[in-house]
Amino acid sequence: KAGVTQTPRYLIKTRGQQVTLSCSPISGHRSVSWYQQTPGQGLQFLFEYFSETQRNKGNFPGRFSGRQFSNSRSEMNVSTLELGDSALYLCASRPGQSHSPLHFGNGTRLTVT
Amino acid sequence: DAKTTQPPSMDCAEGRAANLPCNHSTISGNEYVYWYRQIHSQGPQYIIHGLKNNETNEMASLIITEDRKSSTLILPHATLRDTAVYYCIVRVEARAQKLVFGQGTRLTINP
Repeated sequence: KAGVTQTPRYLIKTRGQQVTLSCSPISGHRSVSWYQQTPGQGLQFLFEYFSETQRNKGNFPGRFSGRQFSNSRSEMNVSTLELGDSALYLCASRPGQSHSPLHFGNGTRLTVT
Repeated sequence: DAKTTQPPSMDCAEGRAANLPCNHSTISGNEYVYWYRQIHSQGPQYIIHGLKNNETNEMASLIITEDRKSSTLILPHATLRDTAVYYCIVRVEARAQKLVFGQGTRLTINP
């Protein structure tokens, strides 16, 4: 079974721009979560989607948003990029209704200059 | 959620068993212990999880003390590829999509 796929792998943007990251979960997984990882803050939960609905949200500003499509694929968007948004953005999926743990992709490395 | 405490770093010789401790003295009855590891520049990899019984899979064993206040992840025959940061997380399983990662233990396997 293919794992969680995230695209692109690397991205360089300029302050003020916006960016969209994509995530394809493991086949059959309906829950998708997003995390941000930085050297200073570690891994932090952004939000979780299940059946196209946001179920949980972390403590991030409204510039960070996401959505999930009917095929469970998910995108996250960051608007008005700031230097501090430079991070590894990780997507994870799980079946949603079973007791399985999260499975992570290898992330998108975003650099804001 | 219960807080976990892990040593910041550990070393282990290749081929030996690596035993990674985790303290979770405030764990509640319905909280599971999850272990993940992260190799540089990759996403966290799920290893194992358990509630109160010891668990074993193809990657590792998880030993949880009877009072559930601590646990140990055991990699039975460590290889150089096991060098990574290991995270112990305690979480109610129903909310396991929102994991709270600490600083973890940086495990170095030496040849």
